Amino acid sequence: DADVTQTPRNRITKTGKRIMLECSQTKGHDRMYWYRQDPGLGLQLIYYSFDVKDINKGEISDGYSVSRQAQAKFSLSLESAIPNQTALYFCATSDSRRDVEGEQFFGPGTRLTVL
Amino acid sequence: DQQVKQNSPSLSVQEGRISILNCDYTNSMFDYFLWYKKYPAEGPTFLISISSIKDKNEDGRFTVFLNKSAKHLSLHIVPSQPGDSAVYFCAAISGNTPLVFGKGTRLSVIA
Repeated sequence: DADVTQTPRNRITKTGKRIMLECSQTKGHDRMYWYRQDPGLGLQLIYYSFDVKDINKGEISDGYSVSRQAQAKFSLSLESAIPNQTALYFCATSDSRRDVEGEQFFGPGTRLTVL
Repeated sequence: DQQVKQNSPSLSVQEGRISILNCDYTNSMFDYFLWYKKYPAEGPTFLISISSIKDKNEDGRFTVFLNKSAKHLSLHIVPSQPGDSAVYFCAAISGNTPLVFGKGTRLSVIA
């Protein structure tokens, strides 16, 4: 069983629709992250959460919101999707007890297409 | 401002030869540097890391070198294998802040 799961894996939606991407983890990690990957732009941090009551903006948070429903769950919402949000989205986790070393564990990704 | 830079978008190497992937950084406060590997349709996976107090770390075919004075690190893969074909991301961390990633280098190992 995968330690970090993302649903859905693929999604096609229309401009203006609200969409939610979900992430769950069984690693027992306290920290969770959402990234997007565009061709040639690497991994850009959207939001991150260091514990259930902590939410922080990343470098490209405009147009996105997040909810940390539990330690194991972190969801990303696009309130009104637009075509330039078409990208590959990754959830990741890390353990604050080891975070000085920086290692993160990534989910398999969600491919989102906004028409 | 890009704090972590991978200036080569792609690299092709013959099977059995050495692959060298390079990364430059601007923040002298980074504590750890990491390399991640990403195959298509999968999430990135951790490959190897190095502390800022070291200049070399080796794990099997993979070695990372850190040159702090030049703010440069490199990943060496010897010998390169076709299964090493992937996108490689350099990343760095400072204190209690999230990882900062480079844009990645696509490595193609040709049989």
